[in-house]
Amino acid sequence: ETGVTQTPRHLVMGMTNKKSLKCEQHLGHNAMYWYKQSAKKPLELMFVYNFKEQTENNSVPSRFSPECPNSSHLFLHLHTLQPEDSALYLCASSHYRQGPSGAEAFFGQGTRLTVV
Amino acid sequence: AQSVTQLGSHVSVSEGALVLLRCNYSSSVPPYLFWYVQYPNQGLQLLLKYTTGATLVKGINGFEAEFKKSETSFHLTKPSAHMSDAAEYFCAVSDSGGYNKLIFGAGTRLAVHP
Repeated sequence: ETGVTQTPRHLVMGMTNKKSLKCEQHLGHNAMYWYKQSAKKPLELMFVYNFKEQTENNSVPSRFSPECPNSSHLFLHLHTLQPEDSALYLCASSHYRQGPSGAEAFFGQGTRLTVV
Repeated sequence: AQSVTQLGSHVSVSEGALVLLRCNYSSSVPPYLFWYVQYPNQGLQLLLKYTTGATLVKGINGFEAEFKKSETSFHLTKPSAHMSDAAEYFCAVSDSGGYNKLIFGAGTRLAVHP
């Protein structure tokens, strides 16, 4: 496989469930990201990992718990979500640079999450 | 802090017509700029990027964008729209503070009608 792969593509979960989203990149990158894309709202950056270390958490509720065991894998653990958390969750990866960079981010196809 | 403004959340053109999607940025340092496209239920795909050098950047699928520092703009154009161009387009700027990340605009949905 190549690029950035996200599983599952679709997920329906109840508010009391616990589930995880998985992201894997085969591009040799060392930075990974979680974005949330809701209807009629801009892309929201949730978490940033550089060399497996979390370097950014944009005030994301604790019901979202990221995990980055190595530079190729990123997880988003979900528990006690709310209906308003329904969205497309996108994973991305890039080469690590400190400061502004021309290094583009490569995106997975996303996981469409529906909380019922 | 960097920011990106995309003028027009929806743009509609006829097949064969010029496509113009507008993007203005705010940056305290020389910017790195990107255009991405998103098809329904898909992730974002890079169309083109500006780093340094030539201000007219050519991308995939016949798209191009021109960096104009004096206007703080990076508008995306395509001479002749195709039905397959219907998608959402995002302009982004590389963040200057901290680690490498992109700041996205709100997106412009392009509709192409026969």
